[in-house]
Amino acid sequence: ETGVTQTPRHLVMGMTNKKSLKCEQHLGHNAMYWYKQSAKKPLELMFVYNFKEQTENNSVPSRFSPECPNSSHLFLHLHTLQPEDSALYLCASSLQTSGGADTQYFGPGTRLTVL
Amino acid sequence: GENVEQHPSTLSVQEGDSAVIKCTYSDSASNYFPWYKQELGKGPQLIIDIRSNVGEKKDQRIAVTLNKTAKHFSLHITETQPEDSAVYFCAAERINDMRFGAGTRLTVKP
Repeated sequence: ETGVTQTPRHLVMGMTNKKSLKCEQHLGHNAMYWYKQSAKKPLELMFVYNFKEQTENNSVPSRFSPECPNSSHLFLHLHTLQPEDSALYLCASSLQTSGGADTQYFGPGTRLTVL
Repeated sequence: GENVEQHPSTLSVQEGDSAVIKCTYSDSASNYFPWYKQELGKGPQLIIDIRSNVGEKKDQRIAVTLNKTAKHFSLHITETQPEDSAVYFCAAERINDMRFGAGTRLTVKP
């Protein structure tokens, strides 16, 4: 168990729905990440939060809206999604020391299907 | 930005044989190279990693080698077992920016 949990594990939504994905880490880490995993494509980094501050937004459409209320929780709010947004959404966390890259630990993901 | 190429995309080996997966990267500033294993229905799990000041690292049946000059690194699994069957991802990272390869689906036949 990596100590990173995600809910729900599966989500089916229509294009007009609004839903939220939740991630929680129990590792005492300071950085959290959202990735999108589509079939036969590399993991795509979406958002990065360091100490609750967003430090990265990889040109993600505004229909995806992240929220990080504290270092342990991360949300991804979804609205008016498209069928091509169907994918596995992975959350990760890392310690984020002052210098050097560090290991990211992943949650199990949320399998999202947009009808 | 960083670009990570991973080969092969699929690999099938007989139980007990070795498996090798290779990755190349483009950004010389990358200094951390983890390998992840992803089983069906689970998130990627770290299996081994190497930093740029080290050329090789081994953990039981798994080893990773890094050639910084050529910008490539490899995962070696010896004495493969059916439970090694999964998708393996390499990654290259500098601070807050980790880029992944497209993955290798390894199948170990009993």
